[in-house]
Amino acid sequence: GESVGLHLPTLSVQEGDNSIINCAYSNSASDYFIWYKQESGKGPQFIIDIRSNMDKRQGQRVTVLLNKTVKHLSLQIAATQPGDSAVYFCAENNAGNMLTFGGGTRLMVKP
Amino acid sequence: NAGVTQTPKFQVLKTGQSMTLQCAQDMNHEYMSWYRQDPGMGLRLIHYSVGAGITDQGEVPNGYNVSRSTTEDFPLRLLSAAPSQTSVYFCASRLTGGGTGELFFGEGSRLTVL
Repeated sequence: GESVGLHLPTLSVQEGDNSIINCAYSNSASDYFIWYKQESGKGPQFIIDIRSNMDKRQGQRVTVLLNKTVKHLSLQIAATQPGDSAVYFCAENNAGNMLTFGGGTRLMVKP
Repeated sequence: NAGVTQTPKFQVLKTGQSMTLQCAQDMNHEYMSWYRQDPGMGLRLIHYSVGAGITDQGEVPNGYNVSRSTTEDFPLRLLSAAPSQTSVYFCASRLTGGGTGELFFGEGSRLTVL
């Protein structure tokens, strides 16, 4: 999920397929992680969160996996739908009250 | 509930002008924050507050002031706007200042500094 300049990494998937969006976080002391979805022209919207004492958490059609050994977070979306098209951000809580966001990944769903 | 409300939605300023971005929440949240979003750079924290009367700096505080005189309101002030402050600004709040919990975002304020 790292961005390069003005160009967001893009993941293109077929409708109905599963999507996996990855994120590398920076601080090994981070204790809480969140995934957000942002549609064009709107504010970010909460999807799912996970604490550092867990390695997996499931929601409705979404699963977050946390690998603290390699500081990696992933978001899996099952049966991806056109409405899932958006930019996805991971965020880490690494200093008490400071939530730090990654650069984002654009998900495009092909009908 | 209106959630998090930001005004204005769009603003154009000239270099050196000052302005205030307003943010209000009606959820009785303790924690409020301001982020800026630039293309390809995600969101960066400017300032935050864990309760009325308490504010602190985030990652990119220079050029911005905040105050938190009430639980509901958290205005962001630009004292002397610069073109580098052209961005989309988001206000966000959550129930407690303890570091966890869903952060609710406003719809954003798009600022252009000429």
